[in-house]
Amino acid sequence: AQSVAQPEDQVNVAEGNPLTVKCTYSVSGNPYLFWYVQYPNRGLQFLLKYITGDNLVKGSYGFEAEFNKSQTSFHLKKPSALVSDSALYFCAANSGTYKYIFGTGTRLKVLA
Amino acid sequence: DTEVTQTPKHLVMGMTNKKSLKCEQHMGHRAMYWYKQKAKKPPELMFVYSYEKLSINESVPSRFSPECPNSSLLNLHLHALQPEDSALYLCASSQESAGGLTEAFFGQGTRLTVV
Repeated sequence: AQSVAQPEDQVNVAEGNPLTVKCTYSVSGNPYLFWYVQYPNRGLQFLLKYITGDNLVKGSYGFEAEFNKSQTSFHLKKPSALVSDSALYFCAANSGTYKYIFGTGTRLKVLA
Repeated sequence: DTEVTQTPKHLVMGMTNKKSLKCEQHMGHRAMYWYKQKAKKPPELMFVYSYEKLSINESVPSRFSPECPNSSLLNLHLHALQPEDSALYLCASSQESAGGLTEAFFGQGTRLTVV
């Protein structure tokens, strides 16, 4: 079965420190990969995507993600975390069907 | 305009009521979705419309009835719901490309409470 894994339920980081939220995938072919952020009682906001090309993808709000094909990973990163980055983050994949495969989500808590 | 608009934002309904959720997008996307999301869980796919035709029904109970009146609108009709149907209902849309779907754009959701 195809899947996306987010191994950490929660990540804590101090404000101003770099952050990483991990994602690995087990999806056939060359899937498109996405990161979304969700604030309480809101919909999912698109952050960035990888389709092809440069392994380092830049997105909204200073976030970037590193694609590693050999490790089937797509980790989300930010050089300097803000308290306002505290939210729920979802990694997702799509391999040509109408179904996005979502990870279980990682709660990011940035401490002042 | 990269916005998906959902109404209402909040809905409380009794188990015998009939209500509808509405979703609108003007991005020209031809794929539209309904998802159900429980607290702190990923969205669960319910229905997919492609070019205004129902493409996927993820074995959703018949008390949920989707409708796509045109390429910009998506409705979800609700009838005789159960308390366990209480959740955040998300509408989304996306564009198809040669290799797959582009990113989905999500609405802010309807917080549904069934009493």
